[in-house]
Amino acid sequence: AQTVTQSQPEMSVQEAETVTLSCTYDTSESDYYLFWYKQPPSRQMILVIRQEAYKQQNATENRFSVNFQKAAKSFSLKISDSQLGDAAMYFCAYRNYPRSNFGNEKLTFGTGTRLTIIP
Amino acid sequence: DVKVTQSSRYLVKRTGEKVFLECVQDMDHENMFWYRQDPGLGLRLIYFSYDVKMKEKGDIPEGYSVSREKKERFSLILESASTNQTSMYLCASRFALSPPHRRNSPLHFGNGTRLTVT
Repeated sequence: AQTVTQSQPEMSVQEAETVTLSCTYDTSESDYYLFWYKQPPSRQMILVIRQEAYKQQNATENRFSVNFQKAAKSFSLKISDSQLGDAAMYFCAYRNYPRSNFGNEKLTFGTGTRLTIIP
Repeated sequence: DVKVTQSSRYLVKRTGEKVFLECVQDMDHENMFWYRQDPGLGLRLIYFSYDVKMKEKGDIPEGYSVSREKKERFSLILESASTNQTSMYLCASRFALSPPHRRNSPLHFGNGTRLTVT
């Protein structure tokens, strides 16, 4: 079974600075998808960024970017120019490439990293 | 925008009660999921449904059942609530992944139901 590990339960960063959240995963598959979700105090889980394993280029969404190291099975999230609204729990997640006609592959989550932004 | 609505934000129930958690999505998604979220454990999958009247056990199905009679609604049922089921419950939905253009479809989540069993 796939596992996702987030080794940093809590992180903090000064406003306007850059922070990197780490995520490693374990899989024997070659094709898969990786996601970062954000859960602010409102509890709404929001997709931040996604990466397809067959793409070598790291995904980028505005101030959010990933460092995808496939051989090392590492998928870290970098937040540049941190803002107060970035304060949240961040979850890394893994999903296999769809195999069946149903396409019902499950998402496996890490335990989360709580990010605090210091004004 | 996709809207996934969970009927209750907070719920308090007594041990032994039968509890229904309701989830409705408005995007015609085939797949729906129920997770529970606990500190230090992340999100764990309870049950999921890949289409109407379909259901599959997730990683922690014991003590739970589900119902999906209509495509837009996925209910989680605690047959006899126990204190160890006190948790945050999150519903999610997405399109089926089988068409190639949907293979990277993300999950869309509701706001969660915080259930306390006393």
